[in-house]
Amino acid sequence: SQQGEEDPQALSIQEGENATMNCSYKTSINNLQWYRQNSGRGLVHLILIRSNEREKHSGRLRVTLDTSKKSSSLLITASRAADTASYFCATGENRDDKIIFGKGTRLHILP
Amino acid sequence: GAGVSQSPRYKVAKRGQDVALRCDPISGHVSLFWYQQALGQGPEFLTYFQNEAQLDKSGLPSDRFFAERPEGSVSTLKIQRTQQEDSAVYLCASSLWSLGAPETQYFGPGTRLLVL
Repeated sequence: SQQGEEDPQALSIQEGENATMNCSYKTSINNLQWYRQNSGRGLVHLILIRSNEREKHSGRLRVTLDTSKKSSSLLITASRAADTASYFCATGENRDDKIIFGKGTRLHILP
Repeated sequence: GAGVSQSPRYKVAKRGQDVALRCDPISGHVSLFWYQQALGQGPEFLTYFQNEAQLDKSGLPSDRFFAERPEGSVSTLKIQRTQQEDSAVYLCASSLWSLGAPETQYFGPGTRLLVL
């Protein structure tokens, strides 16, 4: 079963533009994580935000979490060709490590 | 250091054949996870180990699927009597473990299984 649902399913933007992806989930969570997957590097962890946090930054990435709306967003600023990948949110319900992935957003950066 | 490795990278099996997929986690990582990823979908949780203890196997789709980690390091996912619907990429991930705090999972490259 999959807990998170990303929106949109697919997104194409011009290089240099910002990309925003959203994730909605159903049950209470302890943490939410974003992962990136492309054919070259496999599945890679990007950022983790805990349920008591509202916003986190890492380089060109900005993640927000709204537990009242059970939603999160991932913003990638100044997109690059190398950002072309699928992006997944994954939710952790407990304080252990088990996480449940969503179906992903396929991001394509146009040159 | 070395990341998570998986073998084989590709496996073609005839329906009804048994297969064994191996995962070598990062040295010292306590937690180990198996996921199944169908084409165009997100990874689906199969099972989770902490050292040699299998703490959660709720995601295993049937009793044909079996996972073990006898010495708390290398893990094997075994699928008996494979079916066509078992065709997918099987991902392994490992992480450190700290009490009450989630840790980053590091993923292997996956084993792509095709059942004919």
